[in-house]
Amino acid sequence: AQKITQTQPGMFVQEKEAVTLDCTYDTSDQSYGLFWYKQPSSGEMIFLIYQGSYDEQNATEGRYSLNFQKARKSANLVISASQLGDSAMYFCAMREGDRQFYFGTGTSLTVIP
Amino acid sequence: NAGVTQTPKFRVLKTGQSMTLLCAQDMNHEYMYWYRQDPGMGLRLIHYSVGEGTTAKGEVPDGYNVSRLKKQNFLLGLESAAPSQTSVYFCASSYDWDEQYFGPGTRLTVT
Repeated sequence: AQKITQTQPGMFVQEKEAVTLDCTYDTSDQSYGLFWYKQPSSGEMIFLIYQGSYDEQNATEGRYSLNFQKARKSANLVISASQLGDSAMYFCAMREGDRQFYFGTGTSLTVIP
Repeated sequence: NAGVTQTPKFRVLKTGQSMTLLCAQDMNHEYMYWYRQDPGMGLRLIHYSVGEGTTAKGEVPDGYNVSRLKKQNFLLGLESAAPSQTSVYFCASSYDWDEQYFGPGTRLTVT
């Protein structure tokens, strides 16, 4: 079974609108961490946001927020007020226990002017 | 403060040749990682290290070896390259099991 599933290969959003990128995960560990990374066309990986499995509040970092629904095993990324510079690949990732990291296959986001 | 650097940036190998990729970080991080990124596959963890002198296997370790002789360096070796190892290789480091800082990547082609 896939550890991280990102079901949206490509997404489009109008500039200044909000967009939600979906991520579901699979683990039987009680302790895990969830991450989102951005990969622009230039290729570097940029950390966006982190949510620990024991964190009760949803994580927020500026225009990024992580909608963490533990029972559903989902960790969706919400980007508010999209900007043209947000066009990139977005990867959801999970740290499972203290031993493994898994990345999803990514979602390509295009922001339309 | 260079962050995470990777050497080389590009490399072409023939099947059966060997090579070593070097990752260096200047953030005094304990944890270092090697990933490979293939089209449509996302990143997959090859090996990681939680401190100087330690290494552990990730999701796809076969065909690779690693060494962490110094805290700031993490080496990835391919003893006998195969076309299936054509990929982009990323190194990353972190203070703990948290936010990882990535290098710029190495594009490796095995013919």
